[in-house]
Amino acid sequence: EVQLVESGGGLVQPGGSLRLSCTASEFTFSHYGMNWVRQAPGKGLEWLSYIETSGGGIDYGDSVKGRFTVSRDNAKNLLYLQMNSLRAEDTALYYCARDRWPYYSDYWGQGILVTVSS
Amino acid sequence: QSVLTQPPSASGSPGQSVTISCTGTSSDVGAYNYVSWYQQHAGKAPKLLIYEVTKRPSGVPDRFSASKSGNTASLTVSGLLSEDEADYYCSSYVGGNKRVFGGGTKLTVL
Repeated sequence: EVQLVESGGGLVQPGGSLRLSCTASEFTFSHYGMNWVRQAPGKGLEWLSYIETSGGGIDYGDSVKGRFTVSRDNAKNLLYLQMNSLRAEDTALYYCARDRWPYYSDYWGQGILVTVSS
Repeated sequence: QSVLTQPPSASGSPGQSVTISCTGTSSDVGAYNYVSWYQQHAGKAPKLLIYEVTKRPSGVPDRFSASKSGNTASLTVSGLLSEDEADYYCSSYVGGNKRVFGGGTKLTVL
């Protein structure tokens, strides 16, 4: 069964940085694009970023563009989200999700909590 | 990107049918047949229900169906079961490699 496990979350001060990881297993990671999606407490889902199989095609949602950077290491089956200049409104549960064409996610991790607070 | 518009809540009794709408614009829902739907039970990760407007992945009961007309997509849950009580989100492709989600609908089974 496909598994996606997020890690690297925690408490960070406003203006700080954090790097999330997503470890993929039980599928050929390098064959799939990947997404990051977040969910603020009690709120809905927000799409954040997409990275294609080779890492060449990348896109971001407007709320994180210029502050967050997505990357991947296909040799290690790892997806990353580098988050800089963090704000209180970035507090959320962050999910990685496997992308399928056309433009949907078929497997999701359980999420990792990021709290931005002083 | 704008969030797709969903009703905050919907409800129905066991055995009934409920339809949840998802309204976008001619730049997202209306422009592409790339609408997907997700179910999220409390405290759980989202689960794919529908992709490409009407297609169900294997394992999703045929009680779940979906359609699209113009800028509005719809998800219908027929023969409501207590286990269908969850949050439901639509999503649409919006160009490039971008997607957008709806605000979510909380479905209550009375």
